[in-house]
Amino acid sequence: QSALTQPRSVSGSPGQSVTISCTGTSSDVGGYNYVSWYQQHPGKAPKLMIYDVTKRPSGVPDRFSGSKSGNTASLTISGLQAEDEADYYCCSYAGTYTLEVFGTGTKVTVL
Amino acid sequence: QVQLVQSGAEVKKPGSSVQVSCKASGDTFSSYGISWVRQAPGQGLEWMGRIIPIRDIVNYAQKFQGRVTITADKSTGTAYMELSSLRSEDTAVYYCARGGYCSGGSCYHFDYWGQGTLVTVSS
Repeated sequence: QSALTQPRSVSGSPGQSVTISCTGTSSDVGGYNYVSWYQQHPGKAPKLMIYDVTKRPSGVPDRFSGSKSGNTASLTISGLQAEDEADYYCCSYAGTYTLEVFGTGTKVTVL
Repeated sequence: QVQLVQSGAEVKKPGSSVQVSCKASGDTFSSYGISWVRQAPGQGLEWMGRIIPIRDIVNYAQKFQGRVTITADKSTGTAYMELSSLRSEDTAVYYCARGGYCSGGSCYHFDYWGQGTLVTVSS
């Protein structure tokens, strides 16, 4: 099972919006509504930001939103803030044999 | 408050094995699965496998089949991940995370994470 494909980096100025894509196949992203997104600051454990494609855990700002079209899922950060600068990973359920597969990761830079 | 507390850093020789523990608080073991995820230096996250303690089910990523063993002690609420035949490429931070299963629902995400355990493989 190959890792899901994410852009290596995206950037934006404070207040702007950025979108991170996560491309898989019909066996993972496209086949199930079980895409999640994680934020990871340097030296820290990942933090769940979005699950089941669009759901936000309690405490996650509503600036973070998720969507999916076909085999590609997306995470949008609206109103970018300095503290949003981090690495972001998508993850998808991939069936009963493979179970879970992560994306390659995207570094978000706030200019 | 859910907490996952992992064991400390390890330094191992190539060819040896390492065991990392993850003690969970709350109702984790009675309702959720525990997954193991690793991250090599400067690299991305990699799912290794999961255990569902309440159902005694274990699944492994194909890449690690035959080299990883995930177990759980329900009496202490502690999960374990053992990786054998270590090589330098196994140098990584190993995380446990709650999720991959929850009773009564579909929880294919990881909502709580341990602090990570650095395993260094070096001769």
